[in-house]
Amino acid sequence: DGGITQSPKYLFRKEGQNVTLSCEQNLNHDAMYWYRQDPGQGLRLIYYSQIVNDFQKGDIAEGYSVSREKKESFPLTVTSAQKNPTAFYLCASSSISGLDTQYFGPGTRLTVL
Amino acid sequence: DAKTTQPPSMDCAEGRAANLPCNHSTISGNEYVYWYRQIHSQGPQYIIHGLKNNETNEMASLIITEDRKSSTLILPHATLRDTAVYYCIVREAPINAGGTSYGKLTFGQGTILTVHP
Repeated sequence: DGGITQSPKYLFRKEGQNVTLSCEQNLNHDAMYWYRQDPGQGLRLIYYSQIVNDFQKGDIAEGYSVSREKKESFPLTVTSAQKNPTAFYLCASSSISGLDTQYFGPGTRLTVL
Repeated sequence: DAKTTQPPSMDCAEGRAANLPCNHSTISGNEYVYWYRQIHSQGPQYIIHGLKNNETNEMASLIITEDRKSSTLILPHATLRDTAVYYCIVREAPINAGGTSYGKLTFGQGTILTVHP
């Protein structure tokens, strides 16, 4: 089956630790995105990548970092600099950045204790 | 900030049509209207999108007014599984810079649709 996978579904970390969230897609999409969702809120864009080895900051990039070494993978690291990291994190991809529909993964719920 | 306005919640009886309104009075000529829905603790699911003309697919119909300042998503025969938050999104036109382009999705608060038996 083609799609977007995110792992794990639930993640718990201690305050001050960096944590990396996985996002993989086998849709052959060029563009990938990371969003954050807080309870009762809409999604906010963290980072996006249009091609391999290139990525751009979104609206709330502070405290986060990404890499795009492979077309199918776009991992997100939540660093200790992120003040309120507890949230629901969603990864998406699209075939042509800006021109095509974004499809979302199932999400990872991160809780920092 | 989101460029759309939606009612915070709506109810619908199972088997009836659910009509979800959206206002986007500041939409630009080359901006599309997208609809997604999100069931609790899952990723958003794409439903439909349109520019000027009405659109229909296997999930829903999208009716866009002639002046494009509002639209309505129609679920023709709502089921209990259609209970979700529905987001109406105006997609920013891609900005070309150095050969790249990007069209941001800005999610607002959405409409909580509850389908009841």
